[in-house]
Amino acid sequence: DAKTTQPNSMESNEEEPVHLPCNHSTISGTDYIHWYRQLPSQGPEYVIHGLTSNVNNRMASLAIAEDRKSSTLILHRATLRDAAVYYCILRDTGTASKLTFGTGTRLQVTL
Amino acid sequence: DTGVSQNPRHKITKRGQNVTFRCDPISEHNRLYWYRQTLGQGPEFLTYFQNEAQLEKSRLLSDRFSAERPKGSFSTLEIQRTEQGDSAMYLCASSLVGPYNEQFFGPGTRLTVL
Repeated sequence: DAKTTQPNSMESNEEEPVHLPCNHSTISGTDYIHWYRQLPSQGPEYVIHGLTSNVNNRMASLAIAEDRKSSTLILHRATLRDAAVYYCILRDTGTASKLTFGTGTRLQVTL
Repeated sequence: DTGVSQNPRHKITKRGQNVTFRCDPISEHNRLYWYRQTLGQGPEFLTYFQNEAQLEKSRLLSDRFSAERPKGSFSTLEIQRTEQGDSAMYLCASSLVGPYNEQFFGPGTRLTVL
């Protein structure tokens, strides 16, 4: 799986939007972009995924650059419960099985 | 739907002992994965099953590690002759077959080797 690069940590105030960036300059045409997050003392949980177009679900939005070399996970109104490590992961559709996690971005949310 | 469950949640053992962990996936999921996570790092893939067949093993899975999924339902991960370096959180996940089907993770088993 191709490599992704994320900032080690970010901070946000509660009820403000958060934009979590991810660079994946070596992405291939068959790689989907997945985001998972891991809350303290829990296993990771799925957030969202996309291929080329921007995606929205009840948890977040995913904005994908036109050249697909970067993407941004958007939390529209951060809450204290969104404090977690966020992982950006590329999965090849042809061989997709395992998830290859990096070190992710640790998001701190403050009052 | 009770989600993915793992037992035990915590295990403390002495170096050289054998340990076994169990994972019960979501019932209709035919894929089951094992990952290991050490402090400050993201989870690392160990192995996965599709039904009862073990389809991929990481080079991290040394000869001391063995995983089974005998009836395509629950799975066990055994570590023989544990070493202090085996101390980690062991995570299990399950999913349906498909290139973008999300994986559902259990709470993990934290292993401490003294």
